[in-house]
Amino acid sequence: EADIYQTPRYLVIGTGKKITLECSQTMGHDKMYWYQQDPGMELHLIHYSYGVNSTEKGDLSSESTVSRIRTEHFPLTLESARPSHTSQYLCASSERFIGGREETQYFGPGTRLLVL
Amino acid sequence: EDKVVQSPLSLVVHEGDTVTLNCSYEVTNFRSLLWYKQEKKAPTFLFMLTSSGIEKKSGRLSSILDKKELFSILNITATQTGDSAIYLCAVNGLTGGGNKLTFGTGTQLKVEL
Repeated sequence: EADIYQTPRYLVIGTGKKITLECSQTMGHDKMYWYQQDPGMELHLIHYSYGVNSTEKGDLSSESTVSRIRTEHFPLTLESARPSHTSQYLCASSERFIGGREETQYFGPGTRLLVL
Repeated sequence: EDKVVQSPLSLVVHEGDTVTLNCSYEVTNFRSLLWYKQEKKAPTFLFMLTSSGIEKKSGRLSSILDKKELFSILNITATQTGDSAIYLCAVNGLTGGGNKLTFGTGTQLKVEL
């Protein structure tokens, strides 16, 4: 079983608050990802990182920001939460791609965010 | 733009039935295709497929990839109520420096007694 953790699991918060969703993994994986998933919809990549001090935006535009100061930690921050940010946020990690080697993303349990 | 289409979107079967879930894709620089099972929380990994024609099997689940026709199927035999979930197909396309996963919308499977 993959060792990737997310906190909190559920968060209900008022509009305008700053929030940080935590994600950590103990597998020493270089790559980490944040996905956003609305009920019944596909996962959309919003941020990814290939290693410490590396962050990139994904396919889906997001007002959130991320940081990667330590290999094991990839927090996502919303400076001012809005109801449109209500969604499930999933964190994942994978090993570095080395030519020809199979790569699997392992997911955390997710954070369900409700912004009132 | 990379694209993954799954069908059917939803199906309901009786316990013991066999189901086949479909996934077709268009992707630049294909690396692999992955199947995940998602119940109420996060997706759990099922299979990764990289080569055509080689069946991957885990218990009652199996999957195969056709890179020429750009699709994959996931088979579940002798279905059980615990198989009820959303099954996600994702394709890993290689971009400069690393991979990028594109997910389909999923097939919602419900297995009834």
